[in-house]
Amino acid sequence: DQQVKQNSPSLSVQEGRISILNCDYTNSMFDYFLWYKKYPAEGPTFLISISSIKDKNEDGRFTVFLNKSAKHLSLHIVPSQPGDSAVYFCAASATGANSKLTFGKGITLSVRP
Amino acid sequence: GAVVSQHPSRVICKSGTSVKIECRSLDFQATTMFWYRQFPKKSLMLMATSNEGSKATYEQGVEKDKFLINHASLTLSTLTVTSAHPEDSSFYICSARDRETEAFFGQGTRLTVV
Repeated sequence: DQQVKQNSPSLSVQEGRISILNCDYTNSMFDYFLWYKKYPAEGPTFLISISSIKDKNEDGRFTVFLNKSAKHLSLHIVPSQPGDSAVYFCAASATGANSKLTFGKGITLSVRP
Repeated sequence: GAVVSQHPSRVICKSGTSVKIECRSLDFQATTMFWYRQFPKKSLMLMATSNEGSKATYEQGVEKDKFLINHASLTLSTLTVTSAHPEDSSFYICSARDRETEAFFGQGTRLTVV
């Protein structure tokens, strides 16, 4: 049973436009959510996170929105740049310093010049 | 951000041999490290949680005798793939959390068993 779902395997966006990456979760114990970016043959790099006490967190071109009632979060990238082309993973964890992350399957974002 | 170093980045080994992968936290102490495996076009799958000074906690379906984990210090965890077979070929990634927030990842190790 997949607890973190990224239902769209890929997304293609024109440079300069907004990219919206969606993520759904089923485990109500999750209270911390993260987005990672990953290039082929490299480890994931942290992008942005959000705690369940917030509904929005913004960092430069990246904004994450959390809808707890819908168990849904989304990552907005605006404006999108060709260098943003990568696989984006949504991850979630429950409270605890050593809590493991549960990942979605990832979304491949392609930003067209 | 914190740095996690993983070595080697790529290894090719013969079937039946063992391979050791190291994961080091360079600028923080990690009491807990995590080992993931990624299959092509699949998500990162947690294999085990490595706790400093104690036995690792393995996820369901992961053979603890095949994937030996040792967390001997606060900055080093190792994963040894024993008696490797071609089906063990995969991308292995470690991570460490320095507080209750982000997890930092190593660069990953591409293992190919021939």
